[in-house]
Amino acid sequence: RKEVEQDPGPFNVPEGATVAFNCTYSNSASQSFFWYRQDCRKEPKLLMSVYSSGNEDGRFTAQLNRASQYISLLIRDSKLSDSATYLCVVNSYNTDKLIFGTGTRLQVFP
Amino acid sequence: DVKVTQSSRYLVKRTGEKVFLECVQDMDHENMFWYRQDPGLGLRLIYFSYDVKMKEKGDIPEGYSVSREKKERFSLILESASTNQTSMYLCASSLSGIGTQYFGPGTRLLVL
Repeated sequence: RKEVEQDPGPFNVPEGATVAFNCTYSNSASQSFFWYRQDCRKEPKLLMSVYSSGNEDGRFTAQLNRASQYISLLIRDSKLSDSATYLCVVNSYNTDKLIFGTGTRLQVFP
Repeated sequence: DVKVTQSSRYLVKRTGEKVFLECVQDMDHENMFWYRQDPGLGLRLIYFSYDVKMKEKGDIPEGYSVSREKKERFSLILESASTNQTSMYLCASSLSGIGTQYFGPGTRLLVL
């Protein structure tokens, strides 16, 4: 079983739609959680950290469910510029290493 | 802003050549990482370093070595390049105890 699992997609949504991605992780001792965004042929960039209480950054909302060991990302009012691959990332317990999911591809169309 | 730079964006090498990939960060981060990224496999950790001259193997260290003589610089070495090392190589850095990693732009290596 992969340590971090994501649906690879692609998710094809029209502009203005709301879209949600989920991710599951296997190590219940993980403590830090992130969503990164990666544009085609570019490096991953931090989109947002995910906190236990859930957090929001503009149109983006991240949630963590420790009991079920999943993380979600909700994007409201999708823009064309949101088209990218979204990587779910979890820390490796008690180290500074991160474990990356293989990503979920989002394509927003006009 | 954190800046992580990598010595080359694109590199073409021949089988058997020794290849050096360099990474420099300007934010005094303790940790530095080398990953490779392949379609369908995601990012896989090759090596990481948590201090000068310190290194630890990641998930796929075979065929690679690393060097960290200065805090800001972390080099990845392919001792004898092979075609299965054709990939996108990404360097990252982070502060000790803080999970967020910052990535360089990547090096696309093609081994012929």
